[in-house]
Amino acid sequence: QKEVEQNSGPLSVPEGAIASLNCTYSDRGSQSFFWYRQYSGKSPELIMFIYSNGDKEDGRFTAQLNKASQYVSLLIRDSQPSDSATYLCAVKRYSSASKIIFGSGTRLSIRP
Amino acid sequence: KAGVTQTPRYLIKTRGQQVTLSCSPISGHRSVSWYQQTPGQGLQFLFEYFSETQRNKGNFPGRFSGRQFSNSRSEMNVSTLELGDSALYLCASSPRDLSNTGELFFGEGSRLTVL
Repeated sequence: QKEVEQNSGPLSVPEGAIASLNCTYSDRGSQSFFWYRQYSGKSPELIMFIYSNGDKEDGRFTAQLNKASQYVSLLIRDSQPSDSATYLCAVKRYSSASKIIFGSGTRLSIRP
Repeated sequence: KAGVTQTPRYLIKTRGQQVTLSCSPISGHRSVSWYQQTPGQGLQFLFEYFSETQRNKGNFPGRFSGRQFSNSRSEMNVSTLELGDSALYLCASSPRDLSNTGELFFGEGSRLTVL
């Protein structure tokens, strides 16, 4: 079992709709969770992070965390063609030897 | 503020050779971490340096090594290259060491092809 699992996609969503990206993790000690966006041929960029159970909203993006179910998701409202990218889920626990574990990413395609 | 700078951007090597990649972090960032990205394995952690000390290392063979200088610039070296080392190598800097943050600022990467 991979430490961080994501559906590779592609996930195709019509423009203006809500895109829902999901991620599960295996380490119950994970304490912080990140969503990175990677455009084709570019490097990843951080778009959201969440530490506590519940929802965290930032503009059109909402991150949702459920530690009991070991599940984190990213919702993109009013999806735009510019949102077409690969979304990487990352998790970490805070310790002296901590490292960030990335999922393999979900490719999102917003169709006009 | 300048971003993370990686050099070279592209390079081609043959099996058995060695390669050195360079990374200059964002000014003021003292943590530099390295990642290997391949289509099959995704983004995998190589190592992190903070204040010239290696803080953590991923599950890669000893052929992969790195260091950090007093100005926070970092280099990684891969010796005795294998075909499987072909990948995009990404450097990321962070304002704090990775025991306290997961906020990474990535460079554009160095794409290594091993023939």
